[in-house]
Amino acid sequence: LAKTTQPISMDSYEGQEVNITCSHNNIATNDYITWYQQFPSQGPRFIIQGYKTKVTNEVASLFIPADRKSSTLSLPRVSLSDTAVYYCLVAPSGNTGKLIFGQGTTLQVKP
Amino acid sequence: GAVVSQHPSWVICKSGTSVKIECRSLDFQATTMFWYRQFPKQSLMLMATSNEGSKATYEQGVEKDKFLINHASLTLSTLTVTSAHPEDSSFYICSAVGTSGGASTDTQYFGPGTRLTVL
Repeated sequence: LAKTTQPISMDSYEGQEVNITCSHNNIATNDYITWYQQFPSQGPRFIIQGYKTKVTNEVASLFIPADRKSSTLSLPRVSLSDTAVYYCLVAPSGNTGKLIFGQGTTLQVKP
Repeated sequence: GAVVSQHPSWVICKSGTSVKIECRSLDFQATTMFWYRQFPKQSLMLMATSNEGSKATYEQGVEKDKFLINHASLTLSTLTVTSAHPEDSSFYICSAVGTSGGASTDTQYFGPGTRLTVL
């Protein structure tokens, strides 16, 4: 499974757009990129998944450049409740198989 | 979306006792379930992969005789921590993938986790 690298932590303020970038230089052709959110003492929650270009849902956008060696999770207008750990994962066939979690990015949203 | 539950949400036990944690898929058939462990301020660590009706596959370094996994039905998997010790205190999380209405689930759904404290 491809290794991912993310910033350990990020700070933001309410109402701002937050972009978290993940590096995955060894991504394989059949790998998908998936992002999860985790609050303290809770299980991870699926945010978004993509293979290439851009994916958008009601929660976030995922930008993937042509070489797919990195991806950026974009959270529009964050609120205090977005304070959490965000994990970027790369795995074949989406995220329905074995997942290896990296360190994640702890996002702190301030008022 | 699909829902995965865990029971209990937290448990405290004495050293040397065994503890069973249940993971249930509530609205889909979980053909594969995964068990993770998470220590404070650390990431999730995959412990084992469990396919319904088969023996679990454990990750390197995880003792299969200490962490007994049973996946006897398409909606239930259990993790039993045998002879628990304080170092087994952790947050245990399960996840599941499978089928719903004949279609494969499009993502891996995680349970809410179980906090185990061994005194």
